[in-house]
Amino acid sequence: QKEVEQDPGPLSVPEGAIVSLNCTYSNSAFQYFMWYRQYSRKGPELLMYTYSSGNKEDGRFTAQVDKSSKYISLFIRDSQPSDSATYLCAMSKTGGFKTIFGAGTRLFVKA
Amino acid sequence: DAGITQSPRHKVTETGTPVTLRCHQTENHRYMYWYRQDPGHGLRLIHYSYGVKDTDKGEVSDGYSVSRSKTEDFLLTLESATSSQTSVYFCAISESTLTYSPLHFGNGTRLTVT
Repeated sequence: QKEVEQDPGPLSVPEGAIVSLNCTYSNSAFQYFMWYRQYSRKGPELLMYTYSSGNKEDGRFTAQVDKSSKYISLFIRDSQPSDSATYLCAMSKTGGFKTIFGAGTRLFVKA
Repeated sequence: DAGITQSPRHKVTETGTPVTLRCHQTENHRYMYWYRQDPGHGLRLIHYSYGVKDTDKGEVSDGYSVSRSKTEDFLLTLESATSSQTSVYFCAISESTLTYSPLHFGNGTRLTVT
């Protein structure tokens, strides 16, 4: 069993929709939870991170962590075609060292 | 971009040949990492470095070696390439492990082993 599970999709939504992306994990020692966005032929870039449990909001993006359920989510409001990318969840016991990644969910936002 | 350059960007090589991929950073970050990315597996850590000449293995290190002779350069070597090493290789850097320090990635090297 993988330490981090993420549905690879693809997920296709119309412009303006609310998108929900999720990951589950098995290691309760994870403390840092990240979401990376990766455009085609590019490296991943950090979108958001959360320490321990709770919510974090940044513009149209909201990250949620539920450590009791070992479940994290990323919500994208008012999705735009420019949000079309692969979204990778990632987790770490420390501040970023030995980060473990999910397989990534491919998102398409149609105009 | 965080000042990370990977070279070459694309390479095709034959089974059994040695291959070296280079990562160069201009951020003076202490930690450097090599990941490979494959469909269905996401990013998996191959090797990492926590200083000049200080390296250690990640989860998929078999068949790979690394070297770091300068802070800015981290080399990944496939001693004898195999078809299972066909992948996209990403270098990443981070500043610290004492506090939260996100990974910053290069744009990858696409390696095909025929």
